[in-house]
Amino acid sequence: SQQGEEDPQALSIQEGENATMNCSYKTSINNLQWYRQNSGRGLVHLILIRSNEREKHSGRLRVTLDTSKKSSSLLITASRAADTASYFCAMVNTGGFKTIFGAGTRLFVKA
Amino acid sequence: DVKVTQSSRYLVKRTGEKVFLECVQDMDHENMFWYRQDPGLGLRLIYFSYDVKMKEKGDIPEGYSVSREKKERFSLILESASTNQTSMYLCASSLWARGQRDSGANVLTFGAGSRLTVL
Repeated sequence: SQQGEEDPQALSIQEGENATMNCSYKTSINNLQWYRQNSGRGLVHLILIRSNEREKHSGRLRVTLDTSKKSSSLLITASRAADTASYFCAMVNTGGFKTIFGAGTRLFVKA
Repeated sequence: DVKVTQSSRYLVKRTGEKVFLECVQDMDHENMFWYRQDPGLGLRLIYFSYDVKMKEKGDIPEGYSVSREKKERFSLILESASTNQTSMYLCASSLWARGQRDSGANVLTFGAGSRLTVL
């Protein structure tokens, strides 16, 4: 069963704007991760946030986690055309290493 | 860099055929995973393995089996392919050992994917 839901399903913005993607999940997690997928390729890990962390930064990426609301968001600042891809949140269950993915957000950045 | 290699990028098979999808990783990772990806459904976990000869069912194991005879290789088997198994199949591996408390190790490295079409 899918444990993660993402919104929006698709997002189209202009280069230079910020992009925000949201993820909600149903069960307790050990950590939450975000991955990126270029069309027709495998996924690439972007950032991991542990269940006891609230915010994390990596370059132009900012991730927040609210375990009380079982939600996370990924913010990409100053987006570029090269950021065009699908973005997935992934939840790792507590007590295990099973990783479950959300359905993804397709981001299109117009030059 | 960790590399996960999937043997075939594109396959076309007929209904009822037996299909093998091979995945090899070169960084001594303990854990390996098979997902399928379908539009609107994201990635769904089929099977995973945390050690040689060990396997556990994911969320959608029906119609699939797996084999892990060597640490670096994890095979997905479709005993009798059906049209509803047409999909993109993604293999991944990770370092997190069973019982290890450091969640930072459990980052998945994916292969490029195998797109299977069953006619």
